[in-house]
Amino acid sequence: GIQVEQSPPDLILQEGANSTLRCNFSDSVNNLQWFHQNPWGQLINLFYIPSGTKQNGRLSATTVATERYSLLYISSSQTTDSGVYFCAVVETSGSRLTFGEGTQLTVNP
Amino acid sequence: DADVTQTPRNRITKTGKRIMLECSQTKGHDRMYWYRQDPGLGLRLIYYSFDVKDINKGEISDGYSVSRQAQAKFSLSLESAIPNQTALYFCATSEAGTYGYTFGSGTRLTVV
Repeated sequence: GIQVEQSPPDLILQEGANSTLRCNFSDSVNNLQWFHQNPWGQLINLFYIPSGTKQNGRLSATTVATERYSLLYISSSQTTDSGVYFCAVVETSGSRLTFGEGTQLTVNP
Repeated sequence: DADVTQTPRNRITKTGKRIMLECSQTKGHDRMYWYRQDPGLGLRLIYYSFDVKDINKGEISDGYSVSRQAQAKFSLSLESAIPNQTALYFCATSEAGTYGYTFGSGTRLTVV
């Protein structure tokens, strides 16, 4: 099956800093989503982005499908951005969402 | 009301007990999924269903069973719970032809 690798595994920032999270995948995909899991365990859908670039406030995401990677940008980070960020994909030949192991983000005041 | 509702939110059960986790959705999606998350790891697929008569095993189905009672309801059962099934369980839905997934709030299960 498809492999999904996220980096870095852990990231610690001071409030106000910017960051970039990366997701590499091993096969062509027709779905890529970024999720934020808050400290209470809830999964929040940030972006559905199989290709191209999207922005939502301080967050933006870019997927370069031909090169099999996606980037999540967080600007002017806030303590409420803390949590785990997951990338998940559906490979073109498949139908099920496969998750990476996540990036644990801690934003300190 | 939430689009995807899971019950219970938290549950502690004893080894060997049978337990059922329930999921219902109001999104009208055909496809439903059960995932498991262990601490420090991503989500892994247990079972999925593309319609009421279609049930498929995921990557970690051993020790679990499911029932799709209606388009809107998908239950996960642990026939005889064991401690290594302690995890956070998520139900999700998606619509055929589109690929955005919606997740429930999760059920935190502890087997003692």
